[in-house]
Amino acid sequence: QITLKESGPTLVKPTQTLTLTCTFSGFSLSTSGVGVGWVRQPPGKALEWLAIIHWDDDKNYSPSLKSRLTITKDTSKNQVVLTMTNMDPVDTATYYCTHPNWPYRQIDYWGQGTLVTVSS
Amino acid sequence: DIQMTQSPSSLSASVGDRVTITCRASQSFSNYLNWYQQKPGKAPKLLIFAASNLQSGVPSRFSGSGSGTDFTLTISSLQPEDFATYYCQQSYRTPHSFGQGTKLE
Repeated sequence: QITLKESGPTLVKPTQTLTLTCTFSGFSLSTSGVGVGWVRQPPGKALEWLAIIHWDDDKNYSPSLKSRLTITKDTSKNQVVLTMTNMDPVDTATYYCTHPNWPYRQIDYWGQGTLVTVSS
Repeated sequence: DIQMTQSPSSLSASVGDRVTITCRASQSFSNYLNWYQQKPGKAPKLLIFAASNLQSGVPSRFSGSGSGTDFTLTISSLQPEDFATYYCQQSYRTPHSFGQGTKLE
């Protein structure tokens, strides 16, 4: 059974760096074809795809946020970390960790989501 | 980036109705199109992947079709639990962009 859970701060100040950790179980990020991604959703708004990291450490980012995002993995800990620099109130959102399945990369498992508020 | 446009943005329907939601892509691709259902306060749930494949456990009243730039999600007979927001997503090329959502009321 695949599960994912996000952890990190619920409140960050403007200009600070956000660090979110996704801890997962039921699969290994060292297995060919496997990836873990992040999606966010501002309150009352649509889903926004952020980033994905693959089993071979290949990474893809949303072009609009690429300069601010870093995604890394720790295969031994079954964790993926997303960092976002220079946080702004418009980054207030629920951040979801996701499991995009191979080969169509449909997201078949989602974390519960964590609401991050950016405010001074 | 591939832009995904859903229509309508909101839809008023009744139990038993047949409902169709459309998703149009700014570039053509084969069938890397997914549909999700989201209820308030919950994570999205995968309904359809690869345009027409029903995710395991999803009722057969949900179906998907299309290729190229035009895709549809159809609910054959609306049930009370289907009132939610629906999103399409292309997973052909990163960023794997979502549509803006269709709220079914």
